[in-house]
Amino acid sequence: DAGVIQSPRHEVTEMGQEVTLRCKPISGHNSLFWYRQTMMRGLELLIYFNNNVPIDDSGMPEDRFSAKMPNASFSTLKIQPSEPRDSAVYFCASTPSDTNTGELFFGEGSRLTVL
Amino acid sequence: QKEVEQNSGPLSVPEGAIASLNCTYSDRGSQSFFWYRQYSGKSPELIMFIYSNGDKEDGRFTAQLNKASQYVSLLIRDSQPSDSATYLCAVLSGGYNKLIFGAGTRLAVHP
Repeated sequence: DAGVIQSPRHEVTEMGQEVTLRCKPISGHNSLFWYRQTMMRGLELLIYFNNNVPIDDSGMPEDRFSAKMPNASFSTLKIQPSEPRDSAVYFCASTPSDTNTGELFFGEGSRLTVL
Repeated sequence: QKEVEQNSGPLSVPEGAIASLNCTYSDRGSQSFFWYRQYSGKSPELIMFIYSNGDKEDGRFTAQLNKASQYVSLLIRDSQPSDSATYLCAVLSGGYNKLIFGAGTRLAVHP
C-alpha cells in the first residue's frame, strides 16, 4: 500500500512568494493532520481535518496560512506571502479516526526554505 | 508552559547501556501517551503507547507512566547504534487522534 504522499519534497522560494504544499492521505483514512517541525519549536500541529472538514485550526500561525481538503484524497497547505520564518519541514499525516489509537502515519515531509 | 516537555539532549550512551528518556505533560486529564522515533531526515514513526500507570514492555523498550506525577518515560535496554534517533513523546489531546508532541530528545548511541 502507498503511504502518505507529499509534494514537493523540497521547495526553495523567495520571501513574498506563494507556497503550496500538497498531501495525499492513505486511502480509507478519514483524519488528516498538518504539522510543522523546526529545531526551535519541535513538531507543532497546525490544523487537522476529519471527513474533509476542518476540526481545529488553532495552530495555524497567522492569516498567511490556509489549508483545504476538497476531497478525501487530497489536501493543500498554502502560505501567502511566505516569510523566512516559515522555513521548516511540513509533515502531513493521516489515520483512521474510528479508533483512537494515536498512530499517525506521516508522509516524508516537505522541506521549505524561504530566502 | 508547554503541554509536553522533553529534554532536547543530546543524550549520549555507550552501546549496550540503558537509555532513559523522559517526558512531562501539563494536562492532568490526559489518558493516552505515545513514543515516536524519528531518524535524521525521516518522518516520525510510532514505537510504543501506554495508557495505564506502571510499566509496559515491548522487546528492548519499556514505557513507564506515572499519572500522579504527570511523567512518562521510555527505557531502551541494550542500546544499539541503530537506536540513535530523536524520540518524541506525544499526548492524545481530544478526539480524532489529535496528538500534541514534545520537542523530542536526541539519543546518540556510540560503539
